[in-house]
Amino acid sequence: QTVVTQEPSFSVSPGGTVTLTCGLSSGSVSTTYYPSWYQQTPGQAPRALIYSTNIRSSGVPDRFSGSILGNKAALTITGAQADDESDYYCVLYMGSGISVFGGGTKLTVL
Amino acid sequence: EVQLVESGGGLVQPGGSLRLSCAVSGITVSSDYMSWVRQLPGKGLEWVSYIYASGSTTYADSVKGRFTISRDNFKNTLFLQMNSLRTEDTGVYYCARNRAGYNTYFDYWGQGTLVTVSS
Repeated sequence: QTVVTQEPSFSVSPGGTVTLTCGLSSGSVSTTYYPSWYQQTPGQAPRALIYSTNIRSSGVPDRFSGSILGNKAALTITGAQADDESDYYCVLYMGSGISVFGGGTKLTVL
Repeated sequence: EVQLVESGGGLVQPGGSLRLSCAVSGITVSSDYMSWVRQLPGKGLEWVSYIYASGSTTYADSVKGRFTISRDNFKNTLFLQMNSLRTEDTGVYYCARNRAGYNTYFDYWGQGTLVTVSS
């Protein structure tokens, strides 16, 4: 079974730039997986940030951007702010009506 | 304003059943893809099931054969019938709308309902 991989944790300084990645245990992520990214703070429902690789969801600031970097999908946050401290999840479409979330990355801003 | 409100969670013994509901307003459940996504305690998100505008359905392997997604177009409500529940099904269950054509774009979410499977 294919596993979607993410860094368990990451830290960034306020004002800094961080890139989180989303890979596959076997194979490469491409746009055909329609990678999407979600932000979640404790006790809250997830919030969509990026869909279909690089399209920002409504109301999401342009500090958040998505791309394919090498064989992974990537979420880049520029000018990190304290309230960016959250869990970030990617999700990939595997085809045949099946989607799989990654395990999530806990981002610390300090 | 779009609202999704889940209900029906609670405590159930292993092997038991629960039916979750998601009352939707501001969008039409029959016109879009709708999903259930769950979050196990202290863990990440897991996609559970889709129901497409056509009415066709798909499921994660972990729930296939035990869970059934459905909708009531008149009541604009989404359901998840969960049978043969296991302790590993414990978690918060969210309903979500998929932006048309994008299986991975869950643009509206409910607040979640907690399911606890325990003896």
